[in-house]
Amino acid sequence: DIVLTQTPLSLPVTLGQPASISCRSSQGLVYSDGDTYLSWLQQRPGQPPRLLIYKISHRFSGVPDRFSGSGAGTDFTLKISRVEAEDVAVYYCMQATQFATFGQGTRVEI
Amino acid sequence: EVQLVESGGGLVKPGGSLRLSCVASGISFSNAWMNWVRQAPGKGLEWVGRIQTESDGGTRDYAAPVKGRFTISREDSKNMLYLQMDSLETEDTGVYYCSTLTRWGQGTLVTVSS
Repeated sequence: DIVLTQTPLSLPVTLGQPASISCRSSQGLVYSDGDTYLSWLQQRPGQPPRLLIYKISHRFSGVPDRFSGSGAGTDFTLKISRVEAEDVAVYYCMQATQFATFGQGTRVEI
Repeated sequence: EVQLVESGGGLVKPGGSLRLSCVASGISFSNAWMNWVRQAPGKGLEWVGRIQTESDGGTRDYAAPVKGRFTISREDSKNMLYLQMDSLETEDTGVYYCSTLTRWGQGTLVTVSS
């Protein structure tokens, strides 16, 4: 099974400042079609998960451009350029190259 | 607008059964690989299983903790996804989400307790 390890697990942030979350995979995530199915999800308190980024760096519909994804191989990063109050949430990386697995989640708090 | 709406959750005793349903709208359901993902109280997300489209073979895959106890099925004519859960254990307690892994439902709560 593919294991995703996120760091940090808790991230105190300052409004208007940048924030970054890392996700490391136990193995490469390139699928047979050449794509890498690494996504980032946001889960606000009491809400279901919401897709932010798919295939490493593609922003999903309606996602603000302050969110960006990068990485390759086994190391991936989610960046928030300027944190806003509504970004308080738990963020998960998710791989769908081999079934699906999730990172442990990173709690972003002001 | 894409909507995935789960139902069927509730309180069940250990060893019991429950069937969850999910109705989809706003997507080409018959062309979507569908997943169930769960979240224990205060914990992270856990993939439960998925079903491929009929045109891709309809293969079902399950996570190890539920294999042999849970069964996923679909009814494309009704845009419905199902999760039959048998031999339930207290560790199965949580919110169950229906998802394409891009779109997510609101979830339905399953509580397994005596």
